[in-house]
Amino acid sequence: QQQVKQSPQSLIVQKGGISIINCAYENTAFDYFPWYQQFPGKGPALLIAIRPDVSEKKEGRFTISFNKSAKQFSLHIMDSQPGDSATYFCAASYQGGKLIFGQGTELSVKP
Amino acid sequence: NAGVTQTPKFRILKIGQSMTLQCTQDMNHNYMYWYRQDPGMGLKLIYYSVGAGITDKGEVPNGYNVSRSTTEDFPLRLELAAPSQTSVYFCASSYVNRGTQWLFFGSGTQLSVL
Repeated sequence: QQQVKQSPQSLIVQKGGISIINCAYENTAFDYFPWYQQFPGKGPALLIAIRPDVSEKKEGRFTISFNKSAKQFSLHIMDSQPGDSATYFCAASYQGGKLIFGQGTELSVKP
Repeated sequence: NAGVTQTPKFRILKIGQSMTLQCTQDMNHNYMYWYRQDPGMGLKLIYYSVGAGITDKGEVPNGYNVSRSTTEDFPLRLELAAPSQTSVYFCASSYVNRGTQWLFFGSGTQLSVL
């Protein structure tokens, strides 16, 4: 099964709060799990990525948590800011780089 | 640095018409991709290429064709446009550095088939 399931579809967070987006996959051949950020009218841009030999990766306010046994990974945005308002996509890749994307989460951070 | 350039940005087609979405990259990446993005559906891979002369189908290839005659260019062809092909199309190219796959997207082509 090549799907990557993402939730929630939309998320509203107050400024300073924690935004959490979850993804689940079934194909154990996936070996690379990135998160992309997309602003309206723009193409997605790589935000942060992780490989399954690591359980957590942090870059600034963004953290990926990875649970290999549960086949789940999540994005945590600490101290969320209005400028973080965007659509976020999780993804997984296999076979030399073809990315399979989740359905996307529209994040809105209220001032 | 231009990166990945897509043209046109917007297009309206009538059912049955054909068109080519152009994509070019100046980063000398071997890997290139075409995705379509529909609301609430994420990005679906249409076709991809691992180098000049080599292409392969992605998740949703029906109704589309591609070619890759040069490293720089990866056009997407719609032969008989259908309303189901109304979408935003993104071209991308990628390379891998230190275990991270860097995927660069163009700004997209918004296509409506009426």
